Amino acid sequence: AQRVTQPEKLLSVFKGAPVELKCNYSYSGSPELFWYVQYSRQRLQLLLRHISRESIKGFTADLNKGETSFHLKKPFAQEEDSAMYYCALSAYSGAGSYQLTFGKGTKLSVIP
Amino acid sequence: SQTIHQWPATLVQPVGSPLSLECTVEGTSNPNLYWYRQAAGRGLQLLFYSVGIGQISSEVPQNLSASRPQDRQFILSSKKLLLSDSGFYLCAWSPGTGTGELFFGEGSRLTVL
Repeated sequence: AQRVTQPEKLLSVFKGAPVELKCNYSYSGSPELFWYVQYSRQRLQLLLRHISRESIKGFTADLNKGETSFHLKKPFAQEEDSAMYYCALSAYSGAGSYQLTFGKGTKLSVIP
Repeated sequence: SQTIHQWPATLVQPVGSPLSLECTVEGTSNPNLYWYRQAAGRGLQLLFYSVGIGQISSEVPQNLSASRPQDRQFILSSKKLLLSDSGFYLCAWSPGTGTGELFFGEGSRLTVL
């Protein structure tokens, strides 16, 4: 069975400092990984997916199959980055459907 | 464009009372539908998912059940609520041919007293 681990429940950084939210996964197949974000009083929404290899709001994440990691990074944190971040892994569950397994989430707090 | 609605947004119920949370999706057909529970420090727990009308898969044995009476309607129910059922419930959908991106509703906060 697949598993997603986010070791930090809470991460506090100063504005302008680099940010790295850690995510490790366990999956026997070829993984598809995502980062979801939930800002205060907003819906949980997709931030980025490893397949697209794009930068969203200054965030990037690289899939490292050797280390089974998908850490989320941003060189300079902004106050508006404060939110709850979830790492997720997509696994095929049969009958043409996929399931997302989420980590427990990391709350990022950017200190002005 | 596609939208997802779930209600009620908040609900306070006594122990032993029934529950019905409803979720509907618009602007798409044959979506995969999901119910998650979100708890602080415990992340998002998948409760049920459905790939079609009447097809429900349960991920966690519990006091809850789900039904999909129509293509774009997903209902979370309980006959008798427990204190431990309190939490924040999220409905989500994904395209039937998708590979994992989910679109979430705004959530329903349930408090069982």
